[in-house]
Amino acid sequence: NAGVTQTPKFQVLKTGQSMTLQCAQDMNHEYMSWYRQDPGMGLRLIHYSVGAGITDQGEVPNGYNVSRSTTEDFPLRLLSAAPSQTSVYFCASSVTGVSYNSPLHFGNGTRLTVT
Amino acid sequence: AQTVTQSQPEMSVQEAETVTLSCTYDTSESDYYLFWYKQPPSRQMILVIRQEAYKQQNATENRFSVNFQKAAKSFSLKISDSQLGDAAMYFCAFQTGANNLFFGTGTRLTVIP
Repeated sequence: NAGVTQTPKFQVLKTGQSMTLQCAQDMNHEYMSWYRQDPGMGLRLIHYSVGAGITDQGEVPNGYNVSRSTTEDFPLRLLSAAPSQTSVYFCASSVTGVSYNSPLHFGNGTRLTVT
Repeated sequence: AQTVTQSQPEMSVQEAETVTLSCTYDTSESDYYLFWYKQPPSRQMILVIRQEAYKQQNATENRFSVNFQKAAKSFSLKISDSQLGDAAMYFCAFQTGANNLFFGTGTRLTVIP
């Protein structure tokens, strides 16, 4: 029972490099999302998806792209990394949206450092 | 705009004692949900307890309970019989609509043996 799996756990990038953070869930959840966690700021929503082929922006989408070609996978792409993107990134999923009966299940996070 | 405020950056409690973490939120919505998440040093976010705004009865999960005051927009978490494993960051989160949780900035709880 893997739940939400994020890879890699840690990553160091140089400014301007690109990379993809992977997220996969095996719970057949329709809703998937990406959050970033910064000290003193809690978690903020980057992008989310309510089903395969459907994505939308959250609070802080600039500098990030997403796609949802399958129900299971929701990768987050950084096209040109910047030091401001140094953060811990969490992928989370739920059955359908976020509600009392459909709370978010989180992955273990990816710590990204951009130098 | 939806905001969540956790005014206590750090709290400590003696093992076996009770501690209350505070959370207030601001919204004009009448239908919403509230959550407390725990983040231990392993970094994983773990759901502790949840509350529906239209239910006046406070939620309880074993040693964890909430004091939900809708008029005051307050949602505090009480941990009874604190254990060493309760040491973690605790985040209060608020949700209205289906697509986003708004998180507070967290309270770091230390449990003293």
